[in-house]
Formats: sequence, structure tokens, C-alpha cells
Amino acid sequence: AQSVTQLGSHVSVSEGALVLLRCNYSSSVPPYLFWYVQYPNQGLQLLLKYTSAATLVKGINGFEAEFKKSETSFHLTKPSAHMSDAAEYFCAVTRTSGTYKYIFGTGTRLKVLA
Amino acid sequence: DVKVTQSSRYLVKRTGEKVFLECVQDMDHENMFWYRQDPGLGLRLIYFSYDVKMKEKGDIPEGYSVSREKKERFSLILESASTNQTSMYLCASTTGDFYNSPLHFGNGTRLTVT
Repeated sequence: AQSVTQLGSHVSVSEGALVLLRCNYSSSVPPYLFWYVQYPNQGLQLLLKYTSAATLVKGINGFEAEFKKSETSFHLTKPSAHMSDAAEYFCAVTRTSGTYKYIFGTGTRLKVLA
Repeated sequence: DVKVTQSSRYLVKRTGEKVFLECVQDMDHENMFWYRQDPGLGLRLIYFSYDVKMKEKGDIPEGYSVSREKKERFSLILESASTNQTSMYLCASTTGDFYNSPLHFGNGTRLTVT
């Protein structure tokens, strides 16, 4: 069965510092992987997705993520944090066939310090 | 741009009331979903629908029902609201190829049951 683990429910970084949000997945078949962002009082919006075309995926707002099959990871990074990046980030996985299942991690709240 | 509209941002209801949460999408998406979001638990799927009048139970359907009479509208019904249903409810939609298509979310309805 698929699952997603996000390490760290809260992460704080200084403005201008590297952002690293961790996501590990468990899947018996190659998955599709997504990162979503949720700003306060809003729904989730897609940051980026991995669908096997390329292991390094670039998303919106300068974020990118690398799919590492050997580590079953899909960590989200941004070279330089901006105050506007403060939000909650969710990693999600879907199956590539069979019964529909879209599984979300428990989320990581990013705080950016001035 | 896809728009998913949830009819209420905030609702306060009393225990035992029947509660309707409405969601409308404007992109002719086949698939619609209701999630519940709670701190530390991430998003949990309540129900989804892949066509008009079709529905599938998600991970936590107990105490909820849904209705999809028209393609653009998906309603979540709490038959008899209880305090443990106090939560943020998120509606989402996506195209027919849901395995690698991102979800488009509404801004959520924060329900308080007293």
C-alpha cells in the first residue's frame, strides 16, 4: 500500500536561506508524486509534479524537487527563501493504475524568519 | 483557469443538525472529491465521484453522504452533525485522467459544530 511521510511538521528558515522539505514515499509500483502549497485561509495549489519524465522537476515560485528511487524520496527545495514562502506544504502520491488513491502527507509548515 | 467554489467559508452549526456543504467547479471535470483537513492528520478523503450520480467511499465516510446530480456540483451532507466533525472541509476536482492530473481545490469551508 502507498504511503507518504513528511519529516518535520514545522520548519523554520531565515530569509535567503535554503529551503528543504522532506518527503519519503512507500509504493510497490512507480508512483506519481506531487507537492502542493497551502497559504493561510486558502485551498491547496499545485507546486509541481513528478510523472516519470524527468527526475528533477521544476515548479512554480522557484521550487524544485528531485525524485530519488533508491531513497524513495521526493524532497522539495528552494535555494533562497522569501517571506512569501511561509505556508504549509503537502507531499502527495497516487497510484499509476488500479483503484484510485491520492494520499497526502501530514504537511510541513514553513516559517520564514526575517 | 479552473475555479472550484465552495459556497461557505465559515459555518457554525448545532449538534444534530443536517448540514450541506456545496461545491461547484467550472471546468467540466469528471472527478470531484471531498477532503477533511485536521492539524497533524493532513488531508483525508471522505468521498469522491467520477461521474454524475456515481460515488465512492474514501477513507473516512462514516457520518457523511454525498450527492452529485450535475457534473459541476458535488455536495457533502452531514446527516446529523457532531462535534467531532468540526474541521476544515476541502472540495477538489480533476480531469478524467486522475492518476497524473493535479487536484484543483476550493478555498475550504471551516465548519464548527457546537
